[in-house]
Amino acid sequence: DAGVIQSPRHEVTEMGQEVTLRCKPISGHDYLFWYRQTMMRGLELLIYFNNNVPIDDSGMPEDRFSAKMPNASFSTLKIQPSEPRDSAVYFCATREASSYEQYFGPGTRLTVT
Amino acid sequence: GIQVEQSPPDLILQEGANSTLRCNFSDSVNNLQWFHQNPWGQLINLFYIPSGTKQNGRLSATTVATERYSLLYISSSQTTDSGVYFCAVGNAGNMLTFGGGTRLMVKP
Repeated sequence: DAGVIQSPRHEVTEMGQEVTLRCKPISGHDYLFWYRQTMMRGLELLIYFNNNVPIDDSGMPEDRFSAKMPNASFSTLKIQPSEPRDSAVYFCATREASSYEQYFGPGTRLTVT
Repeated sequence: GIQVEQSPPDLILQEGANSTLRCNFSDSVNNLQWFHQNPWGQLINLFYIPSGTKQNGRLSATTVATERYSLLYISSSQTTDSGVYFCAVGNAGNMLTFGGGTRLMVKP
């Protein structure tokens, strides 16, 4: 298996622009998680899905952030409008129903200028 | 929520040395993972170890769940071991709470 796939790997955008990050989970994994890593706050959970349904979005910082999982093979995290404080590395992670172990993608490094 | 503390925050080793990294957590857990974040930023799974002991090559880990701590042992360290080591725990089965990490530098 190719593991968790994220795109793009790097994104540079200007303040006010819409940003869409993408994740393809490992086949057969029923849970998908979006995390954000910053120097100030470390790694924190934003939202997670089970069987394509959002379960807990309490970590989403504000209404500018939204996430969807239209099918078992694809999820997006959207920021609109983006702000410089959104600059971070965004990770997608997945796990199968029978184990709590999470597997992380390579991350998307977002820079908002 | 669960509090996770890792020590030491920074560690410098000479190649070939051994080291022990510690992770303390504040509540019972059913998930504990150790990760290595390499210099390119990738999070590599090292161990899934909510309890007991596991070994993988030069690395081993022990979790004593009743005393709420886990240890990661690195033996015969190599320069490629450099990076940040994270402990992450969960008790609801889904959310992982990460510690602050141990930044390791192995010098040749």
